[in-house]
Amino acid sequence: QKEVEQNSGPLSVPEGAIASLNCTYSDRVSQSFFWYRQYSGKSPELIMSIYSNGDKEDGRFTAQLNKASQYVSLLIRDSQPSDSATYLCAVNVGDYKLSFGAGTTVTVRA
Amino acid sequence: GAGVSQTPSNKVTEKGKYVELRCDPISGHTALYWYRQSLGQGPEFLIYFQGTGAADDSGLPNDRFFAVRPEGSVSTLKIQRTERGDSAVYLCASSLGSGPNTEAFFGQGTRLTVV
Repeated sequence: QKEVEQNSGPLSVPEGAIASLNCTYSDRVSQSFFWYRQYSGKSPELIMSIYSNGDKEDGRFTAQLNKASQYVSLLIRDSQPSDSATYLCAVNVGDYKLSFGAGTTVTVRA
Repeated sequence: GAGVSQTPSNKVTEKGKYVELRCDPISGHTALYWYRQSLGQGPEFLIYFQGTGAADDSGLPNDRFFAVRPEGSVSTLKIQRTERGDSAVYLCASSLGSGPNTEAFFGQGTRLTVV
């Protein structure tokens, strides 16, 4: 079993809709969870971090964490064409190492 | 610039050659990481530095790979006797410290192609 699993996608949503991205992880002791956005040919860009159960909102992005279910999600509200990218879920392994999922590619249709 | 800087952005080398990839972290960041990303995959951990020392090199695939950070700032990833399977994007990241809540910031990567 992979440490971090994501829906492979691609996920296609119309402009203005909500994009919902899911991620599950296997290590119960993980404490920190991150979402990175990666445009094609570019480096991963940190967009959200979440450490406690519940929701965390930042602009149009909401991260949700459920440690009991080992599940973290990212919602993108009012999706824009500029949100078209691959979204990587990352989970801490120990004090410094990140384990990444393979990413979910999102395409926002104008 | 304020971000993590990596050079070169692209490197094409022949099988069997030696390559060096450079990373200049964000100023003041004591922790530095190297990851490798293959097409369609997420980044995979290679090595972690805290200051000048390699605190964890467990992700290096074999002894052809080596990394240094002699003054606790710039790091160089060195690959000997390159193989076609080494072709990937090599990403460097840095963070202010370490700890489970630490946010790591990535450079733009070096795309290595071994022909």
